[in-house]
Amino acid sequence: QKEVEQNSGPLSVPEGAIASLNCTYSDRGSQSFFWYRQYSGKSPELIMFIYSNGDKEDGRFTAQLNKASQYVSLLIRDSQPSDSATYLCAVNIEGGFQKLVFGTGTRLLVSP
Amino acid sequence: NAGVTQTPKFQVLKTGQSMTLQCAQDMNHNSMYWYRQDPGMGLRLIYYSASEGTTDKGEVPNGYNVSRLNKREFSLRLESAAPSQTSVYFCASTIGGDQPQHFGDGTRLSIL
Repeated sequence: QKEVEQNSGPLSVPEGAIASLNCTYSDRGSQSFFWYRQYSGKSPELIMFIYSNGDKEDGRFTAQLNKASQYVSLLIRDSQPSDSATYLCAVNIEGGFQKLVFGTGTRLLVSP
Repeated sequence: NAGVTQTPKFQVLKTGQSMTLQCAQDMNHNSMYWYRQDPGMGLRLIYYSASEGTTDKGEVPNGYNVSRLNKREFSLRLESAAPSQTSVYFCASTIGGDQPQHFGDGTRLSIL
């Protein structure tokens, strides 16, 4: 069973701080990694995705991959109360076709 | 630009009833997916369709059937609903490869 694990949280940070969310995965052959944000009662929306060839920055968000230790992280700089949500990590376990395994999500709370 | 459209948004069924959840995408995506999301369990893959004309089982297919009606539409059928199938169901699609999946708004299904 290929697994993706996340700390359920909640992770509490003050407004303006850096929030760091982590995700570990079991399949060493995984090549692509996705972060989704899900507000309560809503559907997942894509935040960022990275491939095994490197990290990625997009505005306040940075996704980093540590292949040796098999974890992916999402950093949110200058956290805002509107960032309060559950963040889902997903890992593609298939080569040549997309079949994602999702973690259970980390709940982030940003206090004003 | 509708993206991924799911109908209905809410449904209450009695045990043993049948129903079909509809999903349509207007992004010319090749691959489509059905997930269920339960508290503490994360998103679990029920069935997927890599391309028009093909369907395959995911992690939790028992009690469900699917039909890829054409490139746009992918339906999920519950033949004899059970209380254990009470969940939020999400449809997703992707152009394929390592491109991210886009989710519909979900169907909240309760089975009494």
